[in-house]
Amino acid sequence: DAGVIQSPRHEVTEMGQEVTLRCKPISGHNSLFWYRQTMMRGLELLIYFNNNVPIDDSGMPEDRFSAKMPNASFSTLKIQPSEPRDSAVYFCASSPTYNSPLHFGNGTRLTVT
Amino acid sequence: QKEVEQNSGPLSVPEGAIASLNCTYSDRGSQSFFWYRQYSGKSPELIMSIYSNGDKEDGRFTAQLNKASQYVSLLIRDSQPSDSATYLCAASSGGSYIPTFGRGTSLIVHP
Repeated sequence: DAGVIQSPRHEVTEMGQEVTLRCKPISGHNSLFWYRQTMMRGLELLIYFNNNVPIDDSGMPEDRFSAKMPNASFSTLKIQPSEPRDSAVYFCASSPTYNSPLHFGNGTRLTVT
Repeated sequence: QKEVEQNSGPLSVPEGAIASLNCTYSDRGSQSFFWYRQYSGKSPELIMSIYSNGDKEDGRFTAQLNKASQYVSLLIRDSQPSDSATYLCAASSGGSYIPTFGRGTSLIVHP
């Protein structure tokens, strides 16, 4: 099992640019989560998908953030335009069913200058 | 607002000692609880899950849950330097099943 795969591992971009983060969940997992981690705020949920459908996006900071899950094996998180305060580590995680532990990807470290 | 609280630490213990990590949660509807370990620069990895009141043991790790007190703990026996990491507590309710994470406790095990 390859685990949850995220790309890129590191992203450095300038303020105002579009950033797209990608995630491939573990095959067969029905739930997918995007979290953001910073020293100040810890791990914060951005959005939760179940069976490819967004269930809870209350954590998405503002309209600059959008997420999609076009199929069971792929999800994207897009930030447009990016701002320095978006700098953080973004984790994608999946789980086989509701109430199961999460399996995290290696994360994408985003730096916006 | 569902909250999970942890002491940020660092908690420093000598090698071979018992490390005790604590967590409280605000949502009385929480039904599932998880402990994750996160090494610096790495992603969280599951150590234990617990769903019922009482103790659950797995090797050197014991998770304890007290729903009446809204309290979860993790005990690490015979602590090793390799246990030095940040430990994240998470709770999810029966309604949303979305885990809410605490900010983590930093554990340092010194030789």
